[in-house]
Amino acid sequence: QLQLQESGPGLLKPSETLSLRCTVSGGSIITDSYYWGWIRQPPGKGLEWIGSIYHSGSTYYNPSLESRVTISVDASNNQFSLRVNSVTAADTSVYYCARQGRIITYFDRWGQGALVTVSS
Amino acid sequence: QSVLTQPPSASGTPGQRVTISCSGGTSDIGDDDINWYQQVPGKAPKLLIYNDNQRPTGVPDRFSGSKSGSSASLAISGLQSEDEADYYCATWHNNRDGWVFGGGTKLTVL
Repeated sequence: QLQLQESGPGLLKPSETLSLRCTVSGGSIITDSYYWGWIRQPPGKGLEWIGSIYHSGSTYYNPSLESRVTISVDASNNQFSLRVNSVTAADTSVYYCARQGRIITYFDRWGQGALVTVSS
Repeated sequence: QSVLTQPPSASGTPGQRVTISCSGGTSDIGDDDINWYQQVPGKAPKLLIYNDNQRPTGVPDRFSGSKSGSSASLAISGLQSEDEADYYCATWHNNRDGWVFGGGTKLTVL
């Protein structure tokens, strides 16, 4: 059974860089059938897609976040990562990594989520 | 403001049938497949419906999806207490070049 697990610091100060890693187990990140994505959810609010990456490194991002976001992949370790620069309190969210279908478009496997709080 | 519009809340009693709507435009729902996700408080979202009306393995057939034009609906029949959760619609938005989600509907089982 494929599983995803987010990891990274849970508390940041404004202007710092958010870095999260998603480790995929029970299956390979190198697959033609899937992308790998990041979605976030501010406390008590809805879901927002951040961006997605293919195992080759090809990426696409939410235009509203693109200037601050970088997603990368480490296929040898079956991981992909998220970086968000210059964070503010508005970036406080639970961050989820998820598997995204490439042919059938959906997010069908999700990590448990990682809460990142931005506070001075 | 979410691109896809959902009612903030819905409710029903055990055994009832409830529907949750999701409305968008020609660049999103009207142009691509819609997915529905169920999120129990404190947990990650779970894929409930994909390609407008398809259920992943393991999702009970009490859950069904439909779409007409720029609107979609999720129907839950034989409502159970375990169905109490937040429900989100989502689709690819061609003009925005990205995934968009509805604001979510909180379903209460009375």
